[in-house]
Amino acid sequence: AQSVTQLDSQVPVFEEAPVELRCNYSSSVSVYLFWYVQYPNQGLQLLLKYLSGSTLVKGINGFEAEFNKSQTSFHLRKPSVHISDTAEYFCAVRGPGRRALTFGSGTRLQVQP
Amino acid sequence: DTGVSQDPRHKITKRGQNVTFRCDPISEHNRLYWYRQTLGQGPEFLTYFQNEAQLEKSRLLSDRFSAERPKGSFSTLEIQRTEQGDSAMYLCASSLGAESQGAGAFFGQGTRLTVV
Repeated sequence: AQSVTQLDSQVPVFEEAPVELRCNYSSSVSVYLFWYVQYPNQGLQLLLKYLSGSTLVKGINGFEAEFNKSQTSFHLRKPSVHISDTAEYFCAVRGPGRRALTFGSGTRLQVQP
Repeated sequence: DTGVSQDPRHKITKRGQNVTFRCDPISEHNRLYWYRQTLGQGPEFLTYFQNEAQLEKSRLLSDRFSAERPKGSFSTLEIQRTEQGDSAMYLCASSLGAESQGAGAFFGQGTRLTVV
């Protein structure tokens, strides 16, 4: 069975500051990892994904994430956030041969001026 | 291409009534997923179609829930005899191929169901 833990339910940060949203997963097999963003009253939008290869993955809107197999983590980072980054961020995992994504409970990023 | 479209966006129903939601995936996407999202939680998988075949159902999908995808295009999700616990956002997603091949799932804006 797979599970995803997002350690922070809310992360307040000032505009132009760096941010890291933490994600840990548990799985007995190799997995594919994803970060999605959900703006208010919107569907989920894919930010980035790790399938294989380089452990540093770059996504849209200046976000990046690093896959760490030994720590079973896939933390999301951005060096300088904008007000428009205020949203809910979900980490998700999918095992090979599985069809569905398993999501974490989400982290609300609140960017303050 | 306007993305994944879901209808209606909001639905309020009385307990015990039946409701049906529709999802129009991105054209030519052969894979379609339904998820349910309750307040403060991440989406939870309900069911999956590859073309018109329903290949996987979550244990969350009780016998009051049924999903179809006739002709492998749009999909419907029906909930019979709704209960207050069914109140949630119902999300549809579609993809072309598997994530292992680089495909990503695109989500619709969801249908918010409120059972009163």
